[in-house]
Amino acid sequence: EDQVTQSPEALRLQEGESSSLNCSYTVSGLRGLFWYRQDPGKGPEFLFTLYSAGEEKEKERLKATLTKKESFLHITAPKPEDSATYLCAVQAAGNTPLVFGKGTRLSVIA
Amino acid sequence: DTEVTQTPKHLVMGMTNKKSLKCEQHMGHRAMYWYKQKAKKPPELMFVYSYEKLSINESVPSRFSPECPNSSLLNLHLHALQPEDSALYLCASSQVEGPGNTIYFGEGSWLTVV
Repeated sequence: EDQVTQSPEALRLQEGESSSLNCSYTVSGLRGLFWYRQDPGKGPEFLFTLYSAGEEKEKERLKATLTKKESFLHITAPKPEDSATYLCAVQAAGNTPLVFGKGTRLSVIA
Repeated sequence: DTEVTQTPKHLVMGMTNKKSLKCEQHMGHRAMYWYKQKAKKPPELMFVYSYEKLSINESVPSRFSPECPNSSLLNLHLHALQPEDSALYLCASSQVEGPGNTIYFGEGSWLTVV
């Protein structure tokens, strides 16, 4: 069974304090790993898609990396506006739906 | 800003009402989705439409009835809902259905059943 585990569940950072969020996955034939950001009461906002181990993508203060077992979302010098829940999802081979992790709730304090 | 537009943003309905949620995208995507999300939980897939045909129904109760009038529009018809159906309903789309295609979500419609 495909599984996604995100850690930590919640993370509190001071503004400027860099850190990483983890997404561990078990999937038969990874076809894509997706990171989303979700603000309270809103739909998930797409951040990154990663397809193969070794791939990295960056956007502003965020950088996503992928290995054969996990993905990291690195946040460099975060700001309060980076506070949100970050969701990781994987898609396996075949016509299978996305499997989501439970998310990491990030709070960045000024 | 998301290019998947959902209306209404908020809906309150009684258990005997009939209402609809609407979704529109103009990205030329041929796969559209309905997800349900409860508080502090990840989204759960309900339905998938591929080229305007229902592709996946994740054993959703018949009080939820999806409709895809054309490639840009997706509706979710609601009838005789229960209070436990209160949730954030998310519409999403991707270029096509299938592995590796990025799914883009709308802002969601908050549904409260009283």
